[in-house]
Order: sequence, then C-alpha cells, then structure tokens
Amino acid sequence: EIVMTQSPATLSVSPGERATLSCRASQSVSNNLAWYQQKPGQAPRLLIYGASTGATGIPARFSGSGSGTEFTLTISSLQSEDFAVYYCQQYHNWPLTFGPGTTVDIK
Amino acid sequence: QVQLVESGGGLVKPGGSLRLSCAASGFTFSDSYMTWIRQAPGKGLEWVSYITSTSRYTNYPDSVKGRFTISRDNAQNSLYLQMNGLRAEDTAVYYCARAGYSNYLDYWGLGTLVTVSS
Repeated sequence: EIVMTQSPATLSVSPGERATLSCRASQSVSNNLAWYQQKPGQAPRLLIYGASTGATGIPARFSGSGSGTEFTLTISSLQSEDFAVYYCQQYHNWPLTFGPGTTVDIK
Repeated sequence: QVQLVESGGGLVKPGGSLRLSCAASGFTFSDSYMTWIRQAPGKGLEWVSYITSTSRYTNYPDSVKGRFTISRDNAQNSLYLQMNGLRAEDTAVYYCARAGYSNYLDYWGLGTLVTVSS
C-alpha cells in the first residue's frame, strides 16, 4: 500500500497571503496525484488531478506541481472561502489512498 | 448538472447489515466508473470500493473485503453498497463518487451517515 503523508498538519495564513501545502508518497506515483478541498459539513471537491491539471471550474489561484513522490499545492492569494481541509490522493496503485489532510485556517 | 444522492444510512448494531444507494444524474452513468469513499467522524478519507462501468471488475481494500459488496444498475442510474458484518469501526459518512479516467474522483455526493453501535 502506498502511504501518503501531508505537511504541515495545520497552516495558519492571513487572507491574501500565499499558502504552500506538501504531500509525499511512500513510493513513486508518477503524476497520478489529486488534490481535494473539504469544508465543514460538505463533501470533498476535486481541485487538481494529474498532479498539475486544474479541475473544471477551479480558480486559477490553485495550482499543483510535482511528480514521483513529492507534490505541492499552492494557493496564490488566499480568499475567505479557501479556509478548509486539503487532501491529496494517489491513484497510481490499488488501494487508492489519501493523505491525512492539511487544515488551512485563518491567522 | 451532476448530482449524486446517497441514501440508506442509519443506526445498526454490530454484526448487522445495511444497503446504501446512490442515485446519479447529470452524466452518462452507464459509461462511468464509480467508487464509495468513507470518512469516520473527525477523520480523513478512506476508499471503500470500486466498480467499472459494466460491473466486470470490482475492487476493495482489505478492511472491507469479504464484508462489503458494490454493485450497480445502469438502467436505474444507481450504485449500491451492501455492507454485512458491520463493526464499530465502520461508523462513518459514506460518499459515492465518480472515478475519472484514471481514478481521481471528480464528482461526489453529499454522503450518508452509518453508525454502528449497540
């Protein structure tokens, strides 16, 4: 099983600032990596797939990078609606696995 | 627009059974691969099952293999999860989600809560 880890566990950011979230895989997943956003009481929403391709309707301030075992989600200028939990997921191998999440909260 | 609506959750005793349903609309369900994902209270996301468009192939993690069965009815645009031998650790919100071309999850339902407790 590929184990996904995320850092930091919590990121405190002021509105308008840049946020950088990290995701690491225990073995290479190539670019088979997705990012999701989840707000309290809501279902997760796909942000990025293929490590760097934005999903339909996702604002351009969200960008993804990386390949192999190291990945990054960047939110260029945080808006109030971006405070949420962010999960990465690998779909390179079965079982599909998720990271434990990074909470982005207001500084 | 794409809609996935889960139902069938509730309170069940350990060892009991439950069948979840997911009604799909707004996309070609019969061409889509589908999954169930769960989230225990206050915890992260766990993949629970997967089924191809024709039901030819299914897959499960070890944590539910032999106890859960995923199925679908393309004529009814519906996805199902039969859960047997439920344990306390199966308590979670269960989401159905469409698997994109390479198994990223592009659309999610709102979820249904399953509570396993005596």
